Amino acid sequence: QIQLVHSGAEVKKPGASVKVSCKASGYSFIDYHIHWVRQAPGQGLEWMGWISPGSGGPKYAQKFQGRVTMTKDTSINTAYMELSRLRSDDTAVYYCARSYSSSWHHFDYWGQGTLVSVSS
Amino acid sequence: FVLTQPPSVSVAPRQTASITCGGDNIGSDPVHWYQLKPGQAPVVVVFDNSDRPSGIPERFSGSISGNTATLTISRVEAGDEADYYCQLWDTNSDHWVFGGGTKVTVL
Repeated sequence: QIQLVHSGAEVKKPGASVKVSCKASGYSFIDYHIHWVRQAPGQGLEWMGWISPGSGGPKYAQKFQGRVTMTKDTSINTAYMELSRLRSDDTAVYYCARSYSSSWHHFDYWGQGTLVSVSS
Repeated sequence: FVLTQPPSVSVAPRQTASITCGGDNIGSDPVHWYQLKPGQAPVVVVFDNSDRPSGIPERFSGSISGNTATLTISRVEAGDEADYYCQLWDTNSDHWVFGGGTKVTVL
């Protein structure tokens, strides 16, 4: 079955960086885009950007430009999202999700999320 | 670009819940709806305005009227209690946008 499996929870100090992984299985990794979406405590969903394991991208939401880097390793079907210069308001659950394209198509499978806590 | 949802909707079991999502681009671009339960991965319940993925009960339906999309949950069950988000691709900014979310409470 199709699965997106996240790396474990992280605790970071302000100013540090965090790298979250998302391992895909059960489908052809290069045929679908991977999006990253976060949800801060008590807040809604926020799209961060996408990467295509096949070709194209990454494309980042303007809010995160300069702080986020999305990469992929097709040899192990894994996508990564690295967020730098962490602040306390980056505390959130970070999800990866797949879609057939970068735009228009819905996110049909999601990972269970990685909790990133930023605290001094 | 903003998608506006009511913060909360309360509904009695077996009644109908309607969740609205308003925005300027609605009607010209497809709207998708997601269900979020605590500790679980989000699930798409309606895509492309009104299509339903396999495995999603027929009780979930979507519609568009003017600049408003609506997710309707018929014959609401206790298990439908969750947060629901609408989503739209903004062609002007090349960004995905989510609504603020609606918490559905089953009385």
